[in-house]
Amino acid sequence: KQEVTQIPAALSVPEGENLVLNCSFTDSAIYNLQWFRQDPGKGLTSLLLIQSSQREQTSGRLNASLDKSSGRSTLYIAASQPGDSATYLCASEMDSSYKLIFGSGTRLLVRP
Amino acid sequence: DTGVSQDPRHKITKRGQNVTFRCDPISEHNRLYWYRQTLGQGPEFLTYFQNEAQLEKSRLLSDRFSAERPKGSFSTLEIQRTEQGDSAMYLCASSFQTGGGEKLFFGSGTQLSVL
Repeated sequence: KQEVTQIPAALSVPEGENLVLNCSFTDSAIYNLQWFRQDPGKGLTSLLLIQSSQREQTSGRLNASLDKSSGRSTLYIAASQPGDSATYLCASEMDSSYKLIFGSGTRLLVRP
Repeated sequence: DTGVSQDPRHKITKRGQNVTFRCDPISEHNRLYWYRQTLGQGPEFLTYFQNEAQLEKSRLLSDRFSAERPKGSFSTLEIQRTEQGDSAMYLCASSFQTGGGEKLFFGSGTQLSVL
C-alpha cells in the first residue's frame, strides 16, 4: 500500500529565501506525481505534474523533481514571496488508477 | 467562472439527517472525482466517474454514501444518517482524459459539520 509522507509539516521562512519541500513515497511504481497548493478553506490548485518517465518539471519560480529509485520528490521555490504562503501537498498516482494518494502537506509561511 | 463549482460551501446538520452535495465540473471534462479531507490531512479518494459510469469506490465509502453523475454532467454526493465522523471537507475534482497523467482541477469544497 502506497504511503506518502511530507516533511516538515510546517515551515516559516523570510521573504526572498529559496526553499525546498520534501515528499517521500514507499512504492516506486508510481504513474505520476503531482504537487498542489491549498489556501485555507479552499480547494487544491495543481502546480506541477511529473510523469514517471520524467525527472523534473518547471513553472515560473517552481521546480519539482522526481527520483523514483529513492522514493522522493522535491518542490523548489525560488525567491519566496508572502503570497506563496499556503499548504503544499504532493500526491502519487499508481498505475493510471486515476486515484491520487496524498501526503498530509507542508504548511508554508513566508514572512515579509 | 469556468472552474469546478461546488454547492453548498458550508453545511451544518444534526446527526442522523441526510445531506446532499452538488458538483459541477468543467464542462469539457469527462472525469469526475470525490475526495474527503479532514483537518491537517491530505484528501482521501472516495469515488471516480468517467462520464456517467462510476468506475471505482473507496472502502471509505460506506453504504450510507451514494454518488451519482446523471448524463455525465454534474454529480451529487449523498450521505444518509450522518454521523459526527462524517464531518470533513468534501472536495470534487474533474479532469479531461488524455491517455496519460492528467491534472486535476478541484472545486472549493463543501465543509460539512455534523452536530
